[in-house]
Amino acid sequence: GNSVTQMEGPVTLSEEAFLTINCTYTATGYPSLFWYVQYPGEGLQLLLKATKADDKGSNKGFEATYRKETTSFHLEKGSVQVSDSAVYFCALSDGTSYDKVIFGPGTSLSVIP
Amino acid sequence: DTGVSQDPRHKITKRGQNVTFRCDPISEHNRLYWYRQTLGQGPEFLTYFQNEAQLEKSRLLSDRFSAERPKGSFSTLEIQRTEQGDSAMYLCASSPRPGPNTEAFFGQGTRLTVV
Repeated sequence: GNSVTQMEGPVTLSEEAFLTINCTYTATGYPSLFWYVQYPGEGLQLLLKATKADDKGSNKGFEATYRKETTSFHLEKGSVQVSDSAVYFCALSDGTSYDKVIFGPGTSLSVIP
Repeated sequence: DTGVSQDPRHKITKRGQNVTFRCDPISEHNRLYWYRQTLGQGPEFLTYFQNEAQLEKSRLLSDRFSAERPKGSFSTLEIQRTEQGDSAMYLCASSPRPGPNTEAFFGQGTRLTVV
């Protein structure tokens, strides 16, 4: 079945450091890929998405590129801020089953001043 | 519109009791999903409604769980004879239309603690 794997956390970075959170997926067909973010005490929010191979999603300085050949969708940010501290979920929607979203386990990020 | 609303935000119940959660989706969103999130895990799909029709249920949804969406608006998720293993965050999401470019909007969830 469809699944998402992402790097385990927690990840702790100093402010202005470079961030990479790895994500790989297994899916039939051509899924859409997402990164969701969950800030402390808040609900899940869509951070960025990509719907086809080689698409790059970007938002708030975060980027991820849909790589079909490596089945990956790694999240990157060039310079993290304390306000980026949150849990990040990689996810996919395969479009064949009512577009339900399948999530990875999440990666907790803490950014220290 | 203030987004997807869930009520209550927190629920503590004794084992064996029944609980019911409510979700109000964004107006005119005809797709509604329920997920369960346990500590340290990503959300897991439970069930899906298109308008008032429940079209898919996960194997995670035992016979103690039931969900409804009367009139295709708000939805309720009921858990009967709660067990400690039911302790989790229950998330509701809605989306306006099918297709890969459709974003699912999530509520803040209902945290259930079974003691």
